[in-house]
Amino acid sequence: AQSVTQLDSHVSVSEGTPVLLRCNYSSSYSPSLFWYVQHPNKGLQLLLKYTSAATLVKGINGFEAEFKKSETSFHLTKPSAHMSDAAEYFCVVSDGGQNFVFGPGTRLSVLP
Amino acid sequence: ETGVTQSPTHLIKTRGQQVTLRCSSQSGHNTVSWYQQALGQGPQFIFQYYREEENGRGNFPPRFSGLQFPNYSSELNVNALELDDSALYLCASSTPGQGVYEQYFGPGTRLTVT
Repeated sequence: AQSVTQLDSHVSVSEGTPVLLRCNYSSSYSPSLFWYVQHPNKGLQLLLKYTSAATLVKGINGFEAEFKKSETSFHLTKPSAHMSDAAEYFCVVSDGGQNFVFGPGTRLSVLP
Repeated sequence: ETGVTQSPTHLIKTRGQQVTLRCSSQSGHNTVSWYQQALGQGPQFIFQYYREEENGRGNFPPRFSGLQFPNYSSELNVNALELDDSALYLCASSTPGQGVYEQYFGPGTRLTVT
C-alpha cells in the first residue's frame, strides 16, 4: 500500500523568502512522485514529477523537488516566494498505474 | 488543445436523490479518473475508466458508478445521496504509455447535499 505524509498543514512565509514544503511517502514499488498546486476555486495543476531519472526535479514557476530514497522524502522548494504562490499544495505518490494517492495538503500563505 | 472540462460547476441536491456529473477529457487522452475532495482534505480516488472499461476502483461503495463513452468523455453517477457526499468532484484525464504519465485535472464540480 502507498501513503503520503505532508508534515505541515500550513506554512507561512514572507514574500521573497525561501519556501520548503515537506513530503514523505511510503510505497512498496519504485514510486513515481508528483507535486500539484490548487489555487482557490481552481483545479489541480501539475508542478513537477519524479520518474526515476534525475533525483533533483525542476518544475514550473521556479519550484523544484529532490527525491531522497534513503529518507523516503520528496520535499518541494522555491528560493523566493511570490504572492501568487499562495495556494494548497499536494504531494502525490503513484505506482505507475492508475493508483494516485494524494497527501492531505499543505496550505502556503505568503505575507507581504 | 482543449483541457479537461466538467459540468456542472455547482450542484445542490437533497439527501436520497441521484446525481450525474460529466467530464470531457483532454484531446488525445483515453483514460479518465474521478476523485472526491472533501473540504480541507486531499482528493480521494474513486475509480478510473480506460477505453470504456473500469480500470481500478478506490474504497467507495457501489452507489458510486461511472461510464466512459467512445469519445472518452465520462460520467460519475451517485445514487442515494448522503450528506457526506458533499464535496468537490474532480475528473482527470491521462494517456498511459511508456513510463509515468501525469493526470490533467478539470476545475471540478462542487456538490452540496442538504
